[in-house]
Amino acid sequence: QSALTQPPSASGSPGQSVTISCTGTSSDIGGYIYVSWYQQHPGKAPKLMIYEVSQRPSGVPDRFSGSKSGNTASLTVSGLQAEDEADYYCSSYAGRNNLVFGGGTKLTVL
Amino acid sequence: QLQLQESGPGLVKPSETLSLTCTVSGGSISSSSYYWGWIRQPPGKGLEWIGNIYNSGSTYYNPSLKSRVIISVDTSKNQFSLNLSAVTAADTAVYYCARHPTLMHSDLWGRGTLVTVSS
Repeated sequence: QSALTQPPSASGSPGQSVTISCTGTSSDIGGYIYVSWYQQHPGKAPKLMIYEVSQRPSGVPDRFSGSKSGNTASLTVSGLQAEDEADYYCSSYAGRNNLVFGGGTKLTVL
Repeated sequence: QLQLQESGPGLVKPSETLSLTCTVSGGSISSSSYYWGWIRQPPGKGLEWIGNIYNSGSTYYNPSLKSRVIISVDTSKNQFSLNLSAVTAADTAVYYCARHPTLMHSDLWGRGTLVTVSS
């Protein structure tokens, strides 16, 4: 059982927006700004999409955005494209030099 | 362009030690202030952080694995390694090595290597 809770699946049509949630506790997401999101296509290594709640690494489209409210973080993908179909994982610093992940959300572009 | 590549046995027997090496190419592992770490993913399941090592040699481990994990770095070979002892079938996973600009996130990953624990 993962430390952070994500919905198993999410979906949207091309051009639409979809938001994926990641729920933790005050000991992880709620206590720090260190929430990250990773995209993973089948058979590939994860790719960093968002770090420190809302920061985008160079090269990541601005269609991807992150936010946090209380113990829940969110990843929003705007203007959905076919290549956005993938698994998405959140992670959070959990104090005492510990890092925890969510169970992952499979995003389907309809 | 910096690249990471995992290597090691693809099959390990129960109760034995899993040993993997990550070779860093295209840059020096010791010339920058990064953490270097390991993350694993059981087949069909989510990601699990194993641990990180800093250039100074400081290590940080997942509390649930801490008693069985050792991560070390060999700057002369531009490599860092993972040793996981007393493995069981539950340790079967794809193991990724990664670069961490901070302890909290990874911005560069290896392709991963599948390690199966079976007799």
